[in-house]
Amino acid sequence: DAGVIQSPRHEVTEMGQEVTLRCKPISGHNSLFWYRQTMMRGLELLIYFNNNVPIDDSGMPEDRFSAKMPNASFSTLKIQPSEPRDSAVYFCASSNPLWGENEKLFFGSGTQLSVL
Amino acid sequence: GQQVMQIPQYQHVQEGEDFTTYCNSSTTLSNIQWYKQRPGGHPVFLIQLVKSGEVKKQKRLTFQFGEAKKNSSLHITATQTTDVGTYFCAGGGSARQLTFGSGTQLTVLP
Repeated sequence: DAGVIQSPRHEVTEMGQEVTLRCKPISGHNSLFWYRQTMMRGLELLIYFNNNVPIDDSGMPEDRFSAKMPNASFSTLKIQPSEPRDSAVYFCASSNPLWGENEKLFFGSGTQLSVL
Repeated sequence: GQQVMQIPQYQHVQEGEDFTTYCNSSTTLSNIQWYKQRPGGHPVFLIQLVKSGEVKKQKRLTFQFGEAKKNSSLHITATQTTDVGTYFCAGGGSARQLTFGSGTQLTVLP
């Protein structure tokens, strides 16, 4: 199993540009999570999907952020327009409660986003 | 909302010394998970504790869940350079309800 796959690994963009982060969860996992990690705020849950449906997006900072999961094997997190304060590492994680250990999270390698 | 506090924020130890990180929740937890993140890496699941007073061991790592299910600890015996990283606790009822602590960054000096 390749694990959770995220792309790109690094993204450098200018303020105001649109940024799209991509995630492929582990096959068979029905829950997908987007997290943001910064030194100041630690690991923050942005949004959670279950069976491709957004369940809780209360962590999404503002309307500039949007996330989609068109099918069970793909999700995107979009920031438009991007701002310097969006600079962070964005992690995608997936899980499947039926596989035991009460929904332990499998994290992707993350996308290091820098907004100049 | 639920808050999970973790201390210390940083810990430097000499190789061979022991290390402990503590996690405290403002509310009773149904379970607690521990993750390790190597420098430049991603969080990797270590273990989950569910029962009050539960103790689990993984080689040199000992995990405890408090009797009141509001605190937890991770103890590493005789640290090695491979233990370097940030250790996070995450408390909650399910993955979508997990609240991560701020993490303890462990540095092991050879």
